[in-house]
Amino acid sequence: NAGVMQNPRHLVRRRGQEARLRCSPMKGHSHVYWYRQLPEEGLKFMVYLQKENIIDESGMPKERFSAEFPKEGPSILRIQQVVRGDSAAYFCASSPRNYTQYFGPGTRLTVL
Amino acid sequence: DQQVKQNSPSLSVQEGRISILNCDYTNSMFDYFLWYKKYPAEGPTFLISISSIKDKNEDGRFTVFLNKSAKHLSLHIVPSQPGDSAVYFCAASAQNTGTASKLTFGTGTRLQVTL
Repeated sequence: NAGVMQNPRHLVRRRGQEARLRCSPMKGHSHVYWYRQLPEEGLKFMVYLQKENIIDESGMPKERFSAEFPKEGPSILRIQQVVRGDSAAYFCASSPRNYTQYFGPGTRLTVL
Repeated sequence: DQQVKQNSPSLSVQEGRISILNCDYTNSMFDYFLWYKKYPAEGPTFLISISSIKDKNEDGRFTVFLNKSAKHLSLHIVPSQPGDSAVYFCAASAQNTGTASKLTFGTGTRLQVTL
């Protein structure tokens, strides 16, 4: 049973470009969560999605950030017009219901 | 507002001894608590969890204790092994509020197990 998959593992973008991060949950898991970890900090919640629905986006910045979890395919976290402050590790987690969340390996975004 | 606090940024323990990692929380709505272990450049790995209806949960070398009145939990690792060296995160969620069960994380404790 494959774990949570994230790609790419490393992503480099120049300021103003778009970043797309992908997450495939574990088989049988219908809940997806995105977290961000800034250097020397803990993980901060961004958004919680179920298939085709955003359940809680209270941790998402109001501008430039969006997330989706379509009926088919992976969940996507999209960051438009990236700035240097967006450089961080972005982790996706999945769970079968509102219980233990299992994390992927993360995408490390570097904005030049 | 740091709702989950891990006040010890680092801990060093000798191999074979007990490691005790502590975590405090302020939000009384939290009713489910988890510990994750994280190596550099990897995602957090789930270790053990506890519901607020319990005060202890054990899994092999790992035991989590919950003191609800003090809003405090701890993770005990015994015996400690060199492979346990990692950053340990405490996390909490509110499962019974009817809203999303996002996790709120502490800032982590770096455990080093020495030979």
